[in-house]
Amino acid sequence: NAGVTQTPKFQVLKTGQSMTLQCAQDMNHNSMYWYRQDPGMGLRLIYYSASEGTTDKGEVPNGYNVSRLNKREFSLRLESAAPSQTSVYFCASRPGTDNEQFFGPGTRLTVL
Amino acid sequence: QKEVEQNSGPLSVPEGAIASLNCTYSDRVSQSFFWYRQYSGKSPELIMSIYSNGDKEDGRFTAQLNKASQYVSLLIRDSQPSDSATYLCAVRVGGFKTIFGAGTRLFVKA
Repeated sequence: NAGVTQTPKFQVLKTGQSMTLQCAQDMNHNSMYWYRQDPGMGLRLIYYSASEGTTDKGEVPNGYNVSRLNKREFSLRLESAAPSQTSVYFCASRPGTDNEQFFGPGTRLTVL
Repeated sequence: QKEVEQNSGPLSVPEGAIASLNCTYSDRVSQSFFWYRQYSGKSPELIMSIYSNGDKEDGRFTAQLNKASQYVSLLIRDSQPSDSATYLCAVRVGGFKTIFGAGTRLFVKA
């Protein structure tokens, strides 16, 4: 099992460019999550998907969109990147609501 | 605003000592509590989960929960240099949402 995988690992964008961060899990988990991590801020929830076909906003959804393509895949899209979106992005999944979350290796994004 | 507060540290302890990490949370209805360890440049990984008041032990780690005081802690006994990392407290606040603290950096000196 690969667990949770994310692509790309690193990305540099210019202000205004768009991109999609990909996430996939092979553990048959129902719920999936996108977080961003900034120095001193901890992990902040951007969007989550409780199950295939559903998505909901987290704490910091502005500037992002998501797609739960199927049970395995959950993508995060930046339509018009801004320097404030420079961060490390983690995807996570969990089987239910009370279990631990399993995290991917992260994507380090820089917006110039 | 539902919050999870941690001392950012760094907390420095000598090898073999007990490291004590603390966390407070604001949402009284929170039911599930987690401690994650994160090494620099890596993703978080679960150390302990705790759901009821009292202590829960797993090897060198003990999680303590006091819901009345809205307080959860992590004790690391016989601390090792390999325990040097950032420790994240996480609280499930309802449904599918989990709020993370900013983390406490721990240094274990050999």
